[in-house]
Amino acid sequence: QKEVEQNSGPLSVPEGAIASLNCTYSDRVSQSFFWYRQYSGKSPELIMSIYSNGDKEDGRFTAQLNKASQYVSLLIRDSQPSDSATYLCAVMLTTDSWGKFQFGAGTQVVVTP
Amino acid sequence: GAVVSQHPSRVICKSGTSVKIECRSLDFQATTMFWYRQFPKQSLMLMATSNEGSKATYEQGVEKDKFLINHASLTLSTLTVTSAHPEDSSFYICSATPAGGGEKLFFGSGTQLSVL
Repeated sequence: QKEVEQNSGPLSVPEGAIASLNCTYSDRVSQSFFWYRQYSGKSPELIMSIYSNGDKEDGRFTAQLNKASQYVSLLIRDSQPSDSATYLCAVMLTTDSWGKFQFGAGTQVVVTP
Repeated sequence: GAVVSQHPSRVICKSGTSVKIECRSLDFQATTMFWYRQFPKQSLMLMATSNEGSKATYEQGVEKDKFLINHASLTLSTLTVTSAHPEDSSFYICSATPAGGGEKLFFGSGTQLSVL
């Protein structure tokens, strides 16, 4: 069964600290991985995509992918109160239409001033 | 940037009525659109994949006769919730990929459906 697992949180992070979010997936044919941020009642916003093993950095965000261990993570450096949101991990299979995602349930992040 | 417009943003209806939700790509042609449903504090669950000019592909457990999807043009897909019941109350979101546009995906703003 295809599954994407995330800790639901909430993950409480002091302002300025690093938030670390993890995601595991069950289907080995998964090839494309995405992190989305979702504010309550709003649609998801893409933060990062990652396709190859290793790290990918974009500003304060770093995504890490380990296909052998079937996990992908997101680090948020210098966390700001505006980073408080639910972060969704999304996985796409090579066999699926581009854009057909399996989403995790999301991790709620709360950045405290 | 590319925009996907979704209407209405919020709808309240009585049990037994039908509700239509529109998903429109404003500045690109979308060969494929996806419809998701999200219950409070839960994940976005894919309901169906909508391809222009053909029948939608529904995910397991989604009733195609209850959730009617029409993708009649390259810029418009509609989801009709027929004979809505309180358990259909949810946040419905569409997403679209541009025709020949590579790996890009754009989400609509979502529709909060409340069935009384």
